Amino acid sequence: AQSVTQLGSHVSVSEGALVLLRCNYSSSVPPYLFWYVQYPNQGLQLLLKYTSAATLVKGINGFEAEFKKSETSFHLTKPSAHMSDAAEYFCAVTPAGYNKLIFGAGTRLAVHP
Amino acid sequence: DVKVTQSSRYLVKRTGEKVFLECVQDMDHENMFWYRQDPGLGLRLIYFSYDVKMKEKGDIPEGYSVSREKKERFSLILESASTNQTSMYLCASSFSTRDHQPQHFGDGTRLSIL
Repeated sequence: AQSVTQLGSHVSVSEGALVLLRCNYSSSVPPYLFWYVQYPNQGLQLLLKYTSAATLVKGINGFEAEFKKSETSFHLTKPSAHMSDAAEYFCAVTPAGYNKLIFGAGTRLAVHP
Repeated sequence: DVKVTQSSRYLVKRTGEKVFLECVQDMDHENMFWYRQDPGLGLRLIYFSYDVKMKEKGDIPEGYSVSREKKERFSLILESASTNQTSMYLCASSFSTRDHQPQHFGDGTRLSIL
């Protein structure tokens, strides 16, 4: 079965520090990959998606993610954290030929002054 | 911008009641989805629909049913609510499954079953 693993249910960084949120997937063929963000009391908002056009994907709010097939990873990064980045982040995968999203358990990002 | 609207932000119901959660999207999307979100489990797909009157079971359909009589509206029904259905429910829609268009989410309904 396809699955998505997000390492670390909680990540805490200082304002201005690097943000790194980890995501690994299991899939026999390269999938489509997504990162979503959920701010408190809101639904999910798309940050970025990978659809095989380029391995480094840039998203909104300064986030980017790199697809590494050899590591089956799609980690999310941002060079400098801002207080407004505090939210829960979900990695999701749609295996090729499969029309549903499979979500990871989520990582809650805290940003402190 | 796509707007996905869920009828209630918070809902409190009693065990055994029949509960309806409504979702409307305004972008003529083909696909609509219902998820439940629980801490530590991420989002789990309950049901989805790729056309009017069409539905498919997701990963956790037990205890739920759905209705899609019009393209813009997708309803989730708890036939006989139980306490283990207390959760956050999220509706989403997408244009089509071609090119893996992203899903657009509503703000969620936090449902408590007493």
